[in-house]
Amino acid sequence: KAGVTQTPRYLIKTRGQQVTLSCSPISGHRSVSWYQQTPGQGLQFLFEYFSETQRNKGNFPGRFSGRQFSNSRSEMNVSTLELGDSALYLCASSHEPATRETQYFGPGTRLLVL
Amino acid sequence: AQTVTQSQPEMSVQEAETVTLSCTYDTSESDYYLFWYKQPPSRQMILVIRQEAYKQQNATENRFSVNFQKAAKSFSLKISDSQLGDAAMYFCAYRSALGGGADGLTFGKGTHLIIQP
Repeated sequence: KAGVTQTPRYLIKTRGQQVTLSCSPISGHRSVSWYQQTPGQGLQFLFEYFSETQRNKGNFPGRFSGRQFSNSRSEMNVSTLELGDSALYLCASSHEPATRETQYFGPGTRLLVL
Repeated sequence: AQTVTQSQPEMSVQEAETVTLSCTYDTSESDYYLFWYKQPPSRQMILVIRQEAYKQQNATENRFSVNFQKAAKSFSLKISDSQLGDAAMYFCAYRSALGGGADGLTFGKGTHLIIQP
């Protein structure tokens, strides 16, 4: 069974632009979560989607948004990029809402904002 | 809010020896899950082991085992017969068993494990 896939793997943007990252979960998984990893703040939870609905959201500004499609694929969007948004963005999937489930991570998208 | 603390930024061990990584957490909840994830240089986060708080028995996965002390809020990872492929960042993570919150997984800062050949 294929693992979680994320595209693109690397991305360079400039301040003020917006970016969309994509995540395809493991086949049969319906829950997708997003995390941001930076050297300073470590790993932080962004949001979780299940059945096309945002279930949970971490402490991030409204510039960070996401959505989930009927095939469980998820996209994350960051508008008006700031230098501090440079990070590794990790996506994780599980069968059901991740509260009781183990999450399996993708390889991440490395975003550099110049 | 829950917090997870990994007090060892870096650990070094000789190949074939045993090493223990420490993790403590702070929570007022009684039902939760604890995880150890491994992140090698490829940056792919890999699940190592999982522990349910309601289970008293410590989880074990091959060479990896945990020492879960619920009262002390401690969750250490023991790696036996260390191998070169074990070299990575190891993250301890907490997840509440209560749904609906905005927590997701709460991670520690990580321990960089070096394996000396």
